[in-house]
Amino acid sequence: AQKITQTQPGMFVQEKEAVTLDCTYDTSDPSYGLFWYKQPSSGEMIFLIYQGSYDQQNATEGRYSLNFQKARKSANLVISASQLGDSAMYFCAMTASGNTPLVFGKGTRLSVIA
Amino acid sequence: KAGVTQTPRYLIKTRGQQVTLSCSPISGHRSVSWYQQTPGQGLQFLFEYFSETQRNKGNFPGRFSGRQFSNSRSEMNVSTLELGDSALYLCASSSEAPWTEAFFGQGTRLTVV
Repeated sequence: AQKITQTQPGMFVQEKEAVTLDCTYDTSDPSYGLFWYKQPSSGEMIFLIYQGSYDQQNATEGRYSLNFQKARKSANLVISASQLGDSAMYFCAMTASGNTPLVFGKGTRLSVIA
Repeated sequence: KAGVTQTPRYLIKTRGQQVTLSCSPISGHRSVSWYQQTPGQGLQFLFEYFSETQRNKGNFPGRFSGRQFSNSRSEMNVSTLELGDSALYLCASSSEAPWTEAFFGQGTRLTVV
């Protein structure tokens, strides 16, 4: 079974600053995928970034990067140059079967302050 | 390309009633998954359908059921509603390519009174 742990229920960051959202995972499968999703108040889950267990390099997508430390089983999301529109819930998720089912963490609520 | 569409967006039902939620996936996606999101339990996987067959199932009682049609549209049904079924129900579609992201709809917010 897979498990995702997000230990930060809430975070505050100043606009234009960088912020790191923590995620640790647990699985006995050698192949797995890690995802980060953003959920604004509207409810829709928006895909941000993906990291495969065999990927040698950390994933990056625009202002989002994933700090993948396999030995520590962590997959932290780094958001650079925070914007007010980044205020939302952020979920880390994983799958060991290719696509679904996704196992989600409890999420971190990020608030960006002007 | 149209995204994942869920209808209705909001529902209010009474305990004991049943409800049907609908999900239209992204064109070409044959996998549809359903998740329940509550403040207490977070996001929990309900089931996944692929080509009209249930491929994966989460740990929910038999009151929760689903189906998928030949056009990949999916419905989930909850019978004999309980107060604890109040939640945001999210549908996600994904392509057949493994290790790719799932795309989510905006969800159906169900309130049971």
